[in-house]
Amino acid sequence: QVQLVQSGAEVKKPGASVKVSCKASGYTFTNYYMHWVRQAPGQGLEWMGIINPYDGTTTYGQKVQGRVTMTRDTSTSTVYMELTSLTSDDTALYYCAREIRRRENWFDPWGQGTLVTVSS
Amino acid sequence: DIQMTQSPSSLSASIGDRVTITCRASQSFGKYLNWYQQKRGQAPKLLIYAASSLQSGVPSRFSGSGSGTDFTLTISSLQPEDFATYYCQQSYSTPRTFGQGTKVEIK
Repeated sequence: QVQLVQSGAEVKKPGASVKVSCKASGYTFTNYYMHWVRQAPGQGLEWMGIINPYDGTTTYGQKVQGRVTMTRDTSTSTVYMELTSLTSDDTALYYCAREIRRRENWFDPWGQGTLVTVSS
Repeated sequence: DIQMTQSPSSLSASIGDRVTITCRASQSFGKYLNWYQQKRGQAPKLLIYAASSLQSGVPSRFSGSGSGTDFTLTISSLQPEDFATYYCQQSYSTPRTFGQGTKVEIK
């Protein structure tokens, strides 16, 4: 079955960087775009960016542009999201989600989420 | 960016009630609209895609409608397992923006 498994929780100090992984299984990795979405405590969903696993091309959201890098490793069917210069505002659950593209597009499935806590 | 506005932000309902959540987009985009359910402590789960198509495995009491700028998610008869937060999302353009969420609580 299609599954996205993310890396474990992280605790970082302000100014540090974090790298979260998302390992895909059950489908052809390079055939589906992957998105990253985050959710601050008690808040809604914020789209962060997209990566095309086929060629590695990316598009990032304005709020994290300049601090985020999304990469992929086709040999392990894994995508990565690295966020630098962390502040307390980056404390959130980070999700990867596969995008299915037909005439319309939708996210399915989602990873289980990775909690990133930024605290001094 | 396309702005998505959901209403209400929260609602209280009883088991068996019919529940309707609306989502309005700041510009028209056909049927590029999806609905997700998020239960406490869980990742979001796809319910409805392309405005009105029911995801496999989702109970038929869930339905979606609309096109253009105005969309609706309906739960025909609320069940105990439906208490959750629901999000709409447009997939017409990047960024893939979400509504602010509607929390469905027990009355």
